[in-house]
Amino acid sequence: AQSVTQLDSQVPVFEEAPVELRCNYSSSVSVYLFWYVQYPNQGLQLLLKYLSGSTLVESINGFEAEFNKSQTSFHLRKPSVHISDTAEYFCAVSEGGGGNKLTFGTGTQLKVEL
Amino acid sequence: GAVVSQHPSWVICKSGTSVKIECRSLDFQATTMFWYRQFPKQSLMLMATSNEGSKATYEQGVEKDKFLINHASLTLSTLTVTSAHPEDSSFYICSASTPLGPGNTIYFGEGSWLTVV
Repeated sequence: AQSVTQLDSQVPVFEEAPVELRCNYSSSVSVYLFWYVQYPNQGLQLLLKYLSGSTLVESINGFEAEFNKSQTSFHLRKPSVHISDTAEYFCAVSEGGGGNKLTFGTGTQLKVEL
Repeated sequence: GAVVSQHPSWVICKSGTSVKIECRSLDFQATTMFWYRQFPKQSLMLMATSNEGSKATYEQGVEKDKFLINHASLTLSTLTVTSAHPEDSSFYICSASTPLGPGNTIYFGEGSWLTVV
């Protein structure tokens, strides 16, 4: 069985500061990794994903995440956050081989302050 | 891009009644759809996997007789909460994917808020 751990439930940060949201996973097989963002009272939006290839993946709005197999991590980073980045961020994993059943972490609330 | 739509976005129902939530894939055929439940300030918990034309596969602890799932076509899955009670109040989200395989993408609906009074 696979599991996802997001150690930080809340991360406050000032605007234009860098941020890292941590995600660790455990699985006995190869996995696909995802970060989703959820704005208040909305559904989930895919931020970025790692399926294979380059271990560094980027989103269109400046976020990036790096797959580290040895540390079983997939931390999300942004060098300079904006107020509009305030949201809940979920890390998720699905088993490699085509499975689409996602296991989610408990989420990290990113709060960007002026 | 692909879109998954849920309806209704918000629903309030009386205790003891049933309510149906629809999940539609608008521009692609979804052989598999997933239903998740999210309590306030908590993560998403998978309830069941819905495959077109067959019975849904429920996760451990989810009452299949209470949460009826139907996936009658490649673009529509429905979740019916039967004999709803206040503890069923939650945010329900569906997801749909293109046929299984590396690189496939999972799309989420906007979610449906259910409040049982």
